Amino acid sequence: AQRVTQPEKLLSVFKGAPVELKCNYSYSGSPELFWYVQYSRQRLQLLLRHISRESIKGFTADLNKGETSFHLKKPFAQEEDSAMYYCALKASGTYKYIFGTGTRLKVLA
Amino acid sequence: DTAVSQTPKYLVTQMGNDKSIKCEQNLGHDTMYWYKQDSKKFLKIMFSYNNKELIINETVPNRFSPKSPDKAHLNLHINSLELGDSAVYFCASSQRTSGKDEQYFGPGTRLTVT
Repeated sequence: AQRVTQPEKLLSVFKGAPVELKCNYSYSGSPELFWYVQYSRQRLQLLLRHISRESIKGFTADLNKGETSFHLKKPFAQEEDSAMYYCALKASGTYKYIFGTGTRLKVLA
Repeated sequence: DTAVSQTPKYLVTQMGNDKSIKCEQNLGHDTMYWYKQDSKKFLKIMFSYNNKELIINETVPNRFSPKSPDKAHLNLHINSLELGDSAVYFCASSQRTSGKDEQYFGPGTRLTVT
């Protein structure tokens, strides 16, 4: 069964500290993986996708097929990074997205 | 020029009532979705339409009925509302042929059933 697991509901870090939001997935084929972010009072929006291999707002995520993980990382957290982060999987060739339960990141001053 | 809009933003109603939530996108996308976000912030897909055709219909009570009059609109009608239907409902759209599959979300509709 397809599944996305985000083990941490809440992650608190101090400003300037590194941050890693964990995401593990279960899918037998070749998945497409995404990170979406929801800032306070804003819409859910795409942060990055594994296909792009890009860094957005200092965040990166590497797909590790061996560990079936797609962890989101940033070397130095900023207060404006505080938000709800969702990892999402889309099975290739389908329209269906499966979202994780989300991790709330709080960056403390 | 909001990309994906939903109405209403808030909806408070009593058990047993029938209500509708409307969604419109002006991005020219060919695919639209409805998601439900429960009190624990779990986001789950309910339905998806591609070019007005239903392509995803998850395990959702048949009290929920989506309707897509055209590619830019996807409405959600809920019959006989129950307490457990209280949640935030998000509409989203994407363009399948763009190769990016980025989903654009609406602001959400907070439904409270009393």
